[in-house]
Amino acid sequence: DAGVTQSPTHLIKTRGQQVTLRCSPKSGHDTVSWYQQALGQGPQFIFQYYEEEERQRGNFPDRFSGHQFPNYSSELNVNALLLGDSALYLCASSWLAGASYEQYFGPGTRLTVT
Amino acid sequence: GQQVMQIPQYQHVQEGEDFTTYCNSSTTLSNIQWYKQRPGGHPVFLIQLVKSGEVKKQKRLTFQFGEAKKNSSLHITATQTTDVGTYFCARKNYGGSQGNLIFGKGTKLSVKP
Repeated sequence: DAGVTQSPTHLIKTRGQQVTLRCSPKSGHDTVSWYQQALGQGPQFIFQYYEEEERQRGNFPDRFSGHQFPNYSSELNVNALLLGDSALYLCASSWLAGASYEQYFGPGTRLTVT
Repeated sequence: GQQVMQIPQYQHVQEGEDFTTYCNSSTTLSNIQWYKQRPGGHPVFLIQLVKSGEVKKQKRLTFQFGEAKKNSSLHITATQTTDVGTYFCARKNYGGSQGNLIFGKGTKLSVKP
């Protein structure tokens, strides 16, 4: 049973560019939440996708957008990258329909913006 | 606000010593979750506490939820080098669903063999 997977592992982008990160949830899970973790900080909630719609959103600008596909996988898009967007991007999956509270995190994508 | 404060920020212990990290909120919590993140790794769910005064044990780890549901603690007895990592508490965001979590800044534990 595969856990949460994310791609790519690492990414280097230039300021102003756009980036797409991908996440496949744990088998049986229907919900994907995205987090940004700056160095030395706790993860910060970006948004959550369930039934292919954005259900919850944290305090992040519209430059951050996402998508969820029918197979429950998800993408995080960031436009007009800023130096401050450099962070570890984590996705977490859970089974919302089953009222499960445990969040399973993927290994993350390390984004560096130069 | 909704933030959860964790203390201490760092803890260095000798292997075999005990370790405790504390998580505090200015508002009542519906529940509190604890996660562990190994160096270079990702957060791994440890436990969720829901009831006032709740105490749960996982081998050498003891988790407590305060009577007023405004604070929580994680205690590790006789630390081992495998306990190294950052321990985060996390609360559910107001009006949010499961998965919409607010994390503390974490307590980074180092263990000297």
